[in-house]
Amino acid sequence: DAGITQSPRHKVTETGTPVTLRCHQTENHRYMYWYRQDPGHGLRLIHYSYGVKDTDKGEVSDGYSVSRSKTEDFLLTLESATSSQTSVYFCAISSPVDGYTFGSGTRLTVV
Amino acid sequence: DQQVKQNSPSLSVQEGRISILNCDYTNSMFDYFLWYKKYPAEGPTFLISISSIKDKNEDGRFTVFLNKSAKHLSLHIVPSQPGDSAVYFCAASGGYSGAGSYQLTFGKGTKLSVIP
Repeated sequence: DAGITQSPRHKVTETGTPVTLRCHQTENHRYMYWYRQDPGHGLRLIHYSYGVKDTDKGEVSDGYSVSRSKTEDFLLTLESATSSQTSVYFCAISSPVDGYTFGSGTRLTVV
Repeated sequence: DQQVKQNSPSLSVQEGRISILNCDYTNSMFDYFLWYKKYPAEGPTFLISISSIKDKNEDGRFTVFLNKSAKHLSLHIVPSQPGDSAVYFCAASGGYSGAGSYQLTFGKGTKLSVIP
């Protein structure tokens, strides 16, 4: 989507390895979010950020950490990847005018 | 505990007919509701929303109805087109802070297939 990009788009990693997903925005929005989408569960919030170095946990935060050192970047780290973290991860940004805008997603497979 | 429920995982409709997607919620603090549409390999995109002070909002072929007493909302698509085939997510918010953030709680989604 315009203004928000996720990288990588696809990744395969081994169990136990650390993995970092990146979300980059060019909209200068204050709020950024990480969701995961799984069959039968819809979209579930992992973590969100309300400013540089300001983050908070969402519904399914266990096993994940985040960092936001710049307004434009929001990183999601899986400290030690497990098979249960195989999922599609979506980043989103929000503003009063534009509401929520989602990135195109990162498909992560943990083998 | 699932606060936003979409009880129909899938729905098939003939082209030109009406598609009705349903959503129920349990949290009485929710006051803003949205529908998102998602195609494969893409992120969800905003479709239509409704505030709790309204009971209907219309945008072209899409209309969302809200029944607060029943804690139920529905999305009507008339007429349905093959390009409408996608997964539709219902989402709810407990309040808009005005600072650009409103945490959304999503349903599990309904996969709509419009048959030509």
